[in-house]
Amino acid sequence: AQTVTQSQPEMSVQEAETVTLSCTYDTSESDYYLFWYKQPPSRQMILVIRQEAYKQQNATENRFSVNFQKAAKSFSLKISDSQLGDAAMYFCAYRGYGNKLVFGAGTILRVKS
Amino acid sequence: SAVISQKPSRDICQRGTSLTIQCQVDSQVTMMFWYRQQPGQSLTLIATANQGSEATYESGFVIDKFPISRPNLTFSTLTVSNMSPEDSSIYLCSVRQGGLETQYFGPGTRLLVL
Repeated sequence: AQTVTQSQPEMSVQEAETVTLSCTYDTSESDYYLFWYKQPPSRQMILVIRQEAYKQQNATENRFSVNFQKAAKSFSLKISDSQLGDAAMYFCAYRGYGNKLVFGAGTILRVKS
Repeated sequence: SAVISQKPSRDICQRGTSLTIQCQVDSQVTMMFWYRQQPGQSLTLIATANQGSEATYESGFVIDKFPISRPNLTFSTLTVSNMSPEDSSIYLCSVRQGGLETQYFGPGTRLLVL
């Protein structure tokens, strides 16, 4: 079964600085999707960024980018120019050939002003 | 992206009772999912609900406890039956949509069982 590991329970970043959240996964599948979701205190799950495994180019969405290392099974999220509104729980998620979206345990991001 | 609404947004219930959560989507979707997020935890898939067929439950979840209906392509309900305090969680509806089949989530239903 696929597993997703987020080794950082909590991270802090100064406003306007850059922070990187780590995610590793375990799979024997060759084609899959990876996602980062943000969950603010409102509890709404918000899609931040997605990556298709067959694409070598790292996905980018404004201040959010990923470092996708397929051989290492690593999928880290970089947040540039951090803002107070970025404070939230961040979940890394994997979906392979099956329908199931598998989530990591989450990383709490705190942004200091 | 799909716009998903859930009712109720929150509820406080007595043990032994049942609660039905509704999920409405603004467009037709084939696949709908129900997740549970226990306090301080990640999301766990309860079941996949496809229109016109029985829901498929994940290990640890059974139809008698979490019956699901999927009468059409825009609506689903999840019932939490014979509730106990351990059922206190956020329950989220989710749909898959789009060319990359990205999964979107509803706002969740926060349930507290006393």
